[in-house]
Amino acid sequence: EAGVAQSPRYKIIEKRQSVAFWCNPISGHATLYWYQQILGQGPKLLIQFQNNGVVDDSQLPKDRFSAERLKGVDSTLKIQPAKLEDSAVYLCASSLLKTGVNTGELFFGEGSRLTVL
Amino acid sequence: RKEVEQDPGPFNVPEGATVAFNCTYSNSASQSFFWYRQDCRKEPKLLMSVYSSGNEDGRFTAQLNRASQYISLLIRDSKLSDSATYLCVVKKDWAGNMLTFGGGTRLMVKP
Repeated sequence: EAGVAQSPRYKIIEKRQSVAFWCNPISGHATLYWYQQILGQGPKLLIQFQNNGVVDDSQLPKDRFSAERLKGVDSTLKIQPAKLEDSAVYLCASSLLKTGVNTGELFFGEGSRLTVL
Repeated sequence: RKEVEQDPGPFNVPEGATVAFNCTYSNSASQSFFWYRQDCRKEPKLLMSVYSSGNEDGRFTAQLNRASQYISLLIRDSKLSDSATYLCVVKKDWAGNMLTFGGGTRLMVKP
């Protein structure tokens, strides 16, 4: 079974430029997440989708970050304009969501490492 | 106060040692708890769930104290391959799958 696919793996941009990351979750996984992981810290949830609807985006800096999952499958996370503090690994994850089942298991992609200069 | 707090370490232990990590969470309504493992420059992966009665998986034992809002992970007979960052994860509710990660505890096992 194919895992979560992310691209690009690495991106270097200058501040105030824009960048987009793409994620294709595991087939059949209804829930998709974008996490930001700054070096030395744990992953921080940016946005969670259930199919193509947003479940939680309370920690997404909406003045510069946007994300979409139009057809309920793959997703794009965009940053515009980027700031130095956006340098991080952007992790996409997916999970099977079964009502009443305590899964707790997220399957992560390898991440997209962003460096903002 | 952070929702999930962990001692960042690093914990430097010799092979064969027993080491324990602790984690505290702030939301008393949290429903489920997990430990994830993250190798250097890799993605996090589920290590084990944490059940109220405590549970064991080989050399790993996880325990939960709801009254103190405290989770622990014990690793016995440490191996070099156990070197990684261990992330404490809390799930807020049964209906969704919203997971909050702690900052992680780094373990280095040395020969």
